Parts: sequence; structure tokens; C-alpha cells
Amino acid sequence: EIVMTQSPATLSVSPGESATLSCRASQTVFTNLAWYQQKPGQAPRLLIYGASTRATGIPARFSGSGSGTEFTLTISSLQSEDFALYYCQQYHNWPRTFGQGTKVEIK
Amino acid sequence: QVQLDQSGAEVRKPGASVKVSCKASGYTFTDYYMNWVRQAPGQGLEWMGMINPGGGRTTYAQKFQGRVSMTSDTSTSTVYLELNSLTSEDTAVYYCARPFSSGWGFFDSWGQGTLVTVSS
Repeated sequence: EIVMTQSPATLSVSPGESATLSCRASQTVFTNLAWYQQKPGQAPRLLIYGASTRATGIPARFSGSGSGTEFTLTISSLQSEDFALYYCQQYHNWPRTFGQGTKVEIK
Repeated sequence: QVQLDQSGAEVRKPGASVKVSCKASGYTFTDYYMNWVRQAPGQGLEWMGMINPGGGRTTYAQKFQGRVSMTSDTSTSTVYLELNSLTSEDTAVYYCARPFSSGWGFFDSWGQGTLVTVSS
């Protein structure tokens, strides 16, 4: 099983600033990596797939990068609605596995 | 548009079974595998497995092998998740999730979630 490790666990950011979230895979997943946003009481929402492709309707302030085992989600100019939990997920292999999440909170 | 409507919250005692449903609409039901993902309170997301709704072929995470069953009913466009021998560690919100496109392993459509509580 591919283990996904996210860091940091919590990121405190002021509105308008940018946030950089990291995700590391225990073995290569090439670019088979997705990012999700989750708010309390809601299902996850797909943000990024293929490591860097924004899903439909996702604002340009969300960007993904990386390949192999190291990935980054950058949120530029954080808006109030961006404070949430973020998960990475690999889909290179079965079982599909998720990181433990990074909480982006208001500083 | 794609819609996944799940059944309501359930409460079970340890050792019991639970069956959760997910009714799909807005697309051709048999064209996409349906996945199940769960989330324990305050915890991350855990993939449980998937089913081909047309042919019934399933792939389960090894962790759940032997006590999970995923089935489908094409007449009602509904998939089912059944989990047996429940323990308190199975207390979680269970989501059905459809992949972005057939054959892809990430999910752009999710049900609203079904809370399953296991308590004596």
C-alpha cells in the first residue's frame, strides 16, 4: 500500500496570503495525484487531478505541482472560503490512499 | 447533473451488519465504477473498494476483505455497501464517490454521506 504523508498538519495563514501544502508518497505515483478540499459536514470536493490540472470550476488561485513522490498544493491570496481541510490522494495503485490531511486555519 | 443520494443515518450494535445505499442519477449508471470511502470522526479518508455497477465486479481494500459486500441494482441505479461484524471502529461517515471518468481513480462526484454509529 502506498502511504501518503501530508505536511504540515495545520497551517495558520492570514487572509490574502498564500499557503503551500505538501504531500509525499512512499513510492512513485508519477502524476496520479489528486487534491480535495473538505469543509465541516460536507463531502470532499475535487480541486486538482493529474497533480496539476484544476477541476471544473476551481479558481485559478489553486495550483498543484510535482511528480513522482513529492507534490505541492499552493493557494494564492487566501479567501475566507478557502479555510478548510485539504487531502491528497494517489490513484496510481490499489488501494487508493489518502493523506491524513492539512487544516488551513485563519491566523 | 450527476447526483448521488445516500440513505439516512444508521445506529447498530457491535457485531451487527449495516447496509447503506447510494442512488445515482444524471449519467449512465453502468458507465462508471462506484467507490466507497469512509471517514471516522475527526479522521481522514479511507478508500474501501469499488464496484462495476453493470457487471457486478468488485475490488475491495484488503482491510475489509471478508466482511464487506458491494452490490448494485441497475433497475434503480443504486449501489449498496454492506459491512458485517461491526465494531466501534466502524463508526464513520460513509460516502459513495464516482470517478471523474471511467477508468480514472479520483472522484469528482460524492454522495452526501451516511453516518453509521456503532454503539452498545
